[in-house]
Amino acid sequence: NAGVTQTPKFQVLKTGQSMTLQCAQDMNHNSMYWYRQDPGMGLRLIYYSASEGTTDKGEVPNGYNVSRLNKREFSLRLESAAPSQTSVYFCASTRRGLETQYFGPGTRLLVL
Amino acid sequence: GENVEQHPSTLSVQEGDSAVIKCTYSDSASNYFPWYKQELGKGPQLIIDIRSNVGEKKDQRIAVTLNKTAKHFSLHITETQPEDSAVYFCAASRGNNQGGKLIFGQGTELSVKP
Repeated sequence: NAGVTQTPKFQVLKTGQSMTLQCAQDMNHNSMYWYRQDPGMGLRLIYYSASEGTTDKGEVPNGYNVSRLNKREFSLRLESAAPSQTSVYFCASTRRGLETQYFGPGTRLLVL
Repeated sequence: GENVEQHPSTLSVQEGDSAVIKCTYSDSASNYFPWYKQELGKGPQLIIDIRSNVGEKKDQRIAVTLNKTAKHFSLHITETQPEDSAVYFCAASRGNNQGGKLIFGQGTELSVKP
């Protein structure tokens, strides 16, 4: 049981490049989330998916898109990366609603 | 918008002492308050949570208290050990159970000195 996995672990992009961050969970969870973590700002929700087939915006969705590919996988896409998107990105999942969120190990993204 | 304020941002204690971290939330509809511990280079991990129908919850050396009237909740760690050193985040649910969305505090870096 791997829990929540994220790929890649680390990525360097140039301004304007695009990339997709992958997230998968093997706990049969319904809800999945994407956060970004910046120093002194805690974790901020980018997008979430309450259940398979649904997605919705969080606090900081601008510049990102998501796809809930199936119940297991939830990807985050940066269409045109900007230096302001340099951050650590975490994916999380929960069985449903207000229950324990399980986090992945994170993706460290540097945009030059 | 709704927010969660967390204090202090850094906390240094001697091994064996107690540590207290405090959070204040603004959304009066919040009803779920988890605490997460994040070790260096890892994702956050839930250590304890409390729901609005109780005022206190304990799990060994860790306790959380909730004052809904004042919109305050706190994490108490007793008999601290070096392995408690980490960043701790509080969070509050967004009102009306909006898909399980949480608002996180800014984090507290706890250092336990041997």
